[in-house]
Amino acid sequence: AQSVTQLDSQVPVFEEAPVELRCNYSSSVSVYLFWYVQYPNQGLQLLLKYLSGSTLVKGINGFEAEFNKSQTSFHLRKPSVHISDTAEYFCAVSENTNAGKSTFGDGTTLTVKP
Amino acid sequence: GAVVSQHPSRVICKSGTSVKIECRSLDFQATTMFWYRQFPKQSLMLMATSNEGSKATYEQGVEKDKFLINHASLTLSTLTVTSAHPEDSSFYICSASPGQSNNYGYTFGSGTRLTVV
Repeated sequence: AQSVTQLDSQVPVFEEAPVELRCNYSSSVSVYLFWYVQYPNQGLQLLLKYLSGSTLVKGINGFEAEFNKSQTSFHLRKPSVHISDTAEYFCAVSENTNAGKSTFGDGTTLTVKP
Repeated sequence: GAVVSQHPSRVICKSGTSVKIECRSLDFQATTMFWYRQFPKQSLMLMATSNEGSKATYEQGVEKDKFLINHASLTLSTLTVTSAHPEDSSFYICSASPGQSNNYGYTFGSGTRLTVV
């Protein structure tokens, strides 16, 4: 079985400051990792994904994440946030032997203040 | 890019009635779609895997007779909440992926907010 832990339920940050949203996972097999963003009353939008290869993954809206196998982490970062980045962020893991079934973390609410 | 359309976006129904939610892949064919449920301020919980032309696979604890899934074509899956009760009120989201490589990130629909009164 796989699981995902998002270490911070809420992250407040000032505009133009850097931000890191933390995600740890556990699985007995190799995994694929994802970060999604959800705006109020909307579905999820894929920010970025790690499948294999380079451990540093760049996504949309200036976000990036680094896969650390030894620490079983996949933290999301952005060097300078905007007000429009205020949203709910979900980390998800999918085992490559069970295609398509993602396990989601509980989410992190990012609030960017002016 | 891959687009998944979900309809309706919001629905209010009376207790005891049934509600159908549609999930369509607009520019690709999807042999598999997934239905998730999200309670307020909580994460997504996978309800079932919808398979085109065959029965859906339900996650443990999800009542298959209450949440009927039909995947009659490669672009449409429907979720019907039968005999809805207030505790069924939730945000329902579907997802689908183009191509055979299912693990390459899924496109999610915009969700359906169901309120049972």
